[in-house]
Amino acid sequence: QKEVEQNSGPLSVPEGAIASLNCTYSDRGSQSFFWYRQYSGKSPELIMSIYSNGDKEDGRFTAQLNKASQYVSLLIRDSQPSDSATYLCAVNHREGAQKLVFGQGTRLTINP
Amino acid sequence: DGGITQSPKYLFRKEGQNVTLSCEQNLNHDAMYWYRQDPGQGLRLIYYSQIVNDFQKGDIAEGYSVSREKKESFPLTVTSAQKNPTAFYLCASSPRVARANNEQFFGPGTRLTVL
Repeated sequence: QKEVEQNSGPLSVPEGAIASLNCTYSDRGSQSFFWYRQYSGKSPELIMSIYSNGDKEDGRFTAQLNKASQYVSLLIRDSQPSDSATYLCAVNHREGAQKLVFGQGTRLTINP
Repeated sequence: DGGITQSPKYLFRKEGQNVTLSCEQNLNHDAMYWYRQDPGQGLRLIYYSQIVNDFQKGDIAEGYSVSREKKESFPLTVTSAQKNPTAFYLCASSPRVARANNEQFFGPGTRLTVL
C-alpha cells in the first residue's frame, strides 16, 4: 500500500462547479497535511495546510481532515479554468520529521 | 525580492558526465531539500539538510551527492552512477528544523535531460 494515495484522474469539472480532490494516507500518526498546486511544467505551489480535524477555508479553497478515517480532501468552489492543474497531497508523518511524503497527484481540468 | 532560485532551468548532459544543479534561497530557512519528479509521478526525496555542514539521504540518494557549506546554498550533483537521471529536479526549503508544520516552498526547478 502506498503511503499517500490520490486518484490520478483526470478529473473533469465544469466551470463554476465544486471540484473535490481526495487523498488517503497510511500512517495513523501523521501530523501535518498539505495541498500543492502544480501547473504543467512548473514547480509545486503550496495552497493549503491543515493540522487538526475539521475544515479550513481560504478563499475558494477548503481543506478537510479526518484523522480517524485517514483522509484529507480539498474542495475548490466556483471552479475556474485557471484552476486546471495537478494537485499534490503531502503528509508529514511525525512531529519534527523533516520528510514530506507526496501522493502522485490528481490532474484536474475545469471545462469552460 | 525573497525566494528560492534554481539554475540552470534546462540542462543537457552526456552519458558519463557529472553535472551540478544550483539551489539558492534568501528566506533564511534552516532546512533545504532536493526532490526528483518523473512524468505523471509525485515527488521523491533525494537528500535533505537541516543545518550547515549536515545532510541526510532521502529515499533515492544513490547516484547523487550534495553539500551544505552555506545556509543559503544546497547544490546537487548528479553523478554518472545515476542510471536514469532524466527528470525534473526540484529544490525546496522550510523555515525551521523540528517544527511540526514543516511547510516546504519550492524553487522553479531544473529539467535535466541525458542525451
